[in-house]
Amino acid sequence: SAVISQKPSRDICQRGTSLTIQCQVDSQVTMMFWYRQQPGQSLTLIATANQGSEATYESGFVIDKFPISRPNLTFSTLTVSNMSPEDSSIYLCSVEGLLAEYNEQFFGPGTRLTVL
Amino acid sequence: GQQLNQSPQSMFIQEGEDVSMNCTSSSIFNTWLWYKQDPGEGPVLLIALYKAGELTSNGRLTAQFGITRKDSFLNISASIPSDVGIYFCAGQLTGNQFYFGTGTSLTVIP
Repeated sequence: SAVISQKPSRDICQRGTSLTIQCQVDSQVTMMFWYRQQPGQSLTLIATANQGSEATYESGFVIDKFPISRPNLTFSTLTVSNMSPEDSSIYLCSVEGLLAEYNEQFFGPGTRLTVL
Repeated sequence: GQQLNQSPQSMFIQEGEDVSMNCTSSSIFNTWLWYKQDPGEGPVLLIALYKAGELTSNGRLTAQFGITRKDSFLNISASIPSDVGIYFCAGQLTGNQFYFGTGTSLTVIP
């Protein structure tokens, strides 16, 4: 499996500000995804980060709130905009389509966000 | 989205006991994955299943892809304290999106 890193690992932010989370993979991958995991809950897919085009968002998530970039096959960012306390969650990036694996998703360590 | 029902929601067991958890859905899935998540970490992939009826082991872990393709189970034999964590199933329909179960929290009492 690939090595997936996320920055920052955690942050405490003020209401109304924005935070950009970075996801870096040590090998080229086909698919990258962003998930949200609220406290004590399961994982909810926010969007698929498409290389060279706009991200594909799931129902309930919009680009204005969660803009995503994917400039190449190893890197993506997720921005949480105009934050409110309800945005306090763990944000996880995941990858799929590694050379030797298929139909498996691997996750980064997550970014724990607290909004005051 | 798709609903994956995972049970039990939580388990408290003695060290050395076997553990069984399962995941069911009303939809037919092509792939089932099982993950373990430790506090403050991302989920770690334990086992991947690709065919109906498939039984796969990874050390003390065994998972099966249900014959109807609507369910999967995970067994852990001879549990140890480091098995503590939250276990998630994930199912994939066509395409790339995986849907995650509600999680099973496992506590192992030494």
